[in-house]
Amino acid sequence: AQSVTQLDSHVSVSEGTPVLLRCNYSSSYSPSLFWYVQHPNKGLQLLLKYTSAATLVKGINGFEAEFKKSETSFHLTNPSAHMRDAAEYFCVVSDRRDNQGGKLIFGQGTELSVKP
Amino acid sequence: GAVVSQHPSWVICKSGTSVKIECRSLDFQATTMFWYRQFPKQSLMLMATSNEGSKATYEQGVEKDKFLINHASLTLSTLTVTSAHPEDSSFYICSALRDAQETQYFGPGTRLLVL
Repeated sequence: AQSVTQLDSHVSVSEGTPVLLRCNYSSSYSPSLFWYVQHPNKGLQLLLKYTSAATLVKGINGFEAEFKKSETSFHLTNPSAHMRDAAEYFCVVSDRRDNQGGKLIFGQGTELSVKP
Repeated sequence: GAVVSQHPSWVICKSGTSVKIECRSLDFQATTMFWYRQFPKQSLMLMATSNEGSKATYEQGVEKDKFLINHASLTLSTLTVTSAHPEDSSFYICSALRDAQETQYFGPGTRLLVL
């Protein structure tokens, strides 16, 4: 079975400092992994995705994530946090088995707060 | 881009009435769309998978007669909450699967409040 664990429910950083949001996954298959961001009362926006190409994936707004198979991790980083980055972040794995039709498995989310 | 819209963005209704929520993929065709429910401070819960031209597949515990899904075209799926009750109040989010990219793109969500 596939699963996703986001290790921190809440992360707080100061503006201009680095951000690290941790994610570990469990999958019996070659996974597709995603990070989505959700601002309050909004839908989800795709930040970046990994689909078995380059292990270091660059996304929007300075975010990037590295797929590490040996550690079963897909941590999200940003070298410099902005106030606009304050939101909820979801690490997601896609169930690529043929009979699952692209279903997503969500982590519980990490709330990022950015202090001025 | 890959834009998905939802309508309405919020709705207030009386208990016992039915509410229809539309999900549209604006610039791509989507054979498969998904409907999620999200409670405050929680992750998304998949309710059902909507396939164009066929019956939706519901997740365990989701009442198919309560949450009617129709995927009538490659750009439109609708969710109808029938005989809504206060416990159905929630944030409903749809997504559309862009097959070539194997990626789901999400709508902005619909806030439902049942009085």
